[in-house]
Amino acid sequence: GAGVSQSPSNKVTEKGKDVELRCDPISGHTALYWYRQSLGQGLEFLIYFQGNSAPDKSGLPSDRFSAERTGGSVSTLTIQRTQQEDSAVYLCASSLDTGASYEQYFGPGTRLTVT
Amino acid sequence: AQSVAQPEDQVNVAEGNPLTVKCTYSVSGNPYLFWYVQYPNRGLQFLLKYITGDNLVKGSYGFEAEFNKSQTSFHLKKPSALVSDSALYFCAVRPQRSNDYKLSFGAGTTVTVRA
Repeated sequence: GAGVSQSPSNKVTEKGKDVELRCDPISGHTALYWYRQSLGQGLEFLIYFQGNSAPDKSGLPSDRFSAERTGGSVSTLTIQRTQQEDSAVYLCASSLDTGASYEQYFGPGTRLTVT
Repeated sequence: AQSVAQPEDQVNVAEGNPLTVKCTYSVSGNPYLFWYVQYPNRGLQFLLKYITGDNLVKGSYGFEAEFNKSQTSFHLKKPSALVSDSALYFCAVRPQRSNDYKLSFGAGTTVTVRA
């Protein structure tokens, strides 16, 4: 079946611009996660959503980062006033639930380059 | 806070030889442990997980991992490596507490299998 999809696959933006990254989780998966992969920091958790519960935003690095999940499916990660240190690969994952036995399935990522 | 250490940045083996990728973890309470693999320009693919029960876990593509609670380790192994196993491998942990669902990843180990 279809996996997690992300768009765009690559995004180049100028410093100070806003960007939106999109994630389509696997159909039926109630949990959705965003991670960031960068050379200096490895893989970092950003935020996760589970059903109608309040999202866990504890990993967002600054208030320039926000995310929403509409209708319990598609999610958008927004970065305002981008900085060069925001350059990274942004990975989205989904799981059937948040229980222990439910592994996270990852999308191919969006490579963000801030010039 | 939980953390994962992958002490080797790179592992090089000849095809047909055993492959081991090391992982140690730190977590409050009991862990859930995962291994993921990442091929170039691809997202992370799930390999295997330890939740409870048998310490030896078998996963995809002939990989297995052994959970050792006393040594807080979860090393990934494959008895006979293939050139196609060359990739970046990540170990991840999350605590068994029900309200903490995010994964903490190691820095990754690049595996190169030479023909």
